Amino acid sequence: EVQLVQSGAEVKKPGESLRISCKGSGYNFTNYWISWVRQMPGKGLEWMGRLDPSDSYSNYNPSFQGHVTISVDKSISTAYLQWSSLKASDTAIYYCARWDDGLGCWGQGTLVTVSS
Amino acid sequence: VVMTQSPLSLSVTLGQPASISCRSSQSLLYSDGNTYLNWFQQRPGQSPRRLIYKVSNRDSGVPDRFSGSGSGTDFTLKISRVEAEDVGVYYCMQGTHWLLTFGGGTKVEIK
Repeated sequence: EVQLVQSGAEVKKPGESLRISCKGSGYNFTNYWISWVRQMPGKGLEWMGRLDPSDSYSNYNPSFQGHVTISVDKSISTAYLQWSSLKASDTAIYYCARWDDGLGCWGQGTLVTVSS
Repeated sequence: VVMTQSPLSLSVTLGQPASISCRSSQSLLYSDGNTYLNWFQQRPGQSPRRLIYKVSNRDSGVPDRFSGSGSGTDFTLKISRVEAEDVGVYYCMQGTHWLLTFGGGTKVEIK
């Protein structure tokens, strides 16, 4: 069974750093791009960027460029989304999703709460 | 590419049909001949689940009461007979142009 399993909920303070993860299983992880999608409280879905696990090539939605970094450790079939300095406005659920003719398989989501 | 969904919300009697429109600001026909238009269902408290890919192809396990149609810039998701488990928010998404974009969502509730 194809699965993406994300790391657990996080509570952080403004200015702190954070890395959340997304582990793929049930398929060849390097064959499918991974995207990250943000959902702010009560709002819709926003595509943040994507990464090719085979060579770590990534590209970003300009709205998120410079504020987040997408990376991968293909030896453990895991993609990451990280922040070096969180803001209160980063409070949201973050989903990873696998590209196959669209976003066909999604993780369960990671709730990130940023509050002083 | 801007994706515009309508209506914003839909109140439907059980067993009745429902239809959601999604329009894109540019054609979604890709150079490989495919149109990368997806439909998603997000039930309350759950992750999005893809229902339809490439305009009209149902994902595995999706009931056949869901169907997708359209071409170019104009797309539709239809539910032939709404059931209680269909309550949630539905999103379209285009994957043809590199910056993937979603519609704003349509909330479906039971009347």
